[in-house]
Amino acid sequence: NAGVTQTPKFQVLKTGQSMTLQCAQDMNHEYMSWYRQDPGMGLRLIHYSVGAGITDQGEVPNGYNVSRSTTEDFPLRLLSAAPSQTSVYFCASSSGRTSTDTQYFGPGTRLTVL
Amino acid sequence: GQQLNQSPQSMFIQEGEDVSMNCTSSSIFNTWLWYKQDPGEGPVLLIALYKAGELTSNGRLTAQFGITRKDSFLNISASIPSDVGIYFCAGQLRGGSNYKLTFGKGTLLTVNP
Repeated sequence: NAGVTQTPKFQVLKTGQSMTLQCAQDMNHEYMSWYRQDPGMGLRLIHYSVGAGITDQGEVPNGYNVSRSTTEDFPLRLLSAAPSQTSVYFCASSSGRTSTDTQYFGPGTRLTVL
Repeated sequence: GQQLNQSPQSMFIQEGEDVSMNCTSSSIFNTWLWYKQDPGEGPVLLIALYKAGELTSNGRLTAQFGITRKDSFLNISASIPSDVGIYFCAGQLRGGSNYKLTFGKGTLLTVNP
């Protein structure tokens, strides 16, 4: 198993550009989520999904869109990038099937918006 | 929303020393998790706690789920250079489709050999 994979690893955008951060998992996990990590802020939840076709907002959803058409993939879209979205983005997944399952994190995407 | 206070923010210790860090919450959780993050990597789960009062060990790491369900601590004994990294606590309320994690801001650990 590759676990949770994210692409790209690094990205530089200009203000106003759009892009999609990719996240995929091969563990047949139902639950997937996106976090952003900023210095001194820990990880904050952006959006999450409890299964294909189901998404919901987290703590900091503004400026981001998600969709979940398959169990494996959970892309994060920035429609019009802003400098405030400069951050490191982590995708995570968990099976959601037991009371003791835990979340596995991808390696992250480091995004800079100029 | 729920907030976690994690302390200390950073620690500088000598190899071989013990380390202790903790998290407190303004509200209860029914799961506490401790993660470690190495530079350029995603967080990796160290210990998961599922019951109030639970004390769990993983090698040199020991963590406890506070009785009030609003706090947790992590101890690292006999630190080694590879313990360097950022340690995060995370709280989770499980119920229905709720699997969201709330993270502390992290403790940066530096170990001097």
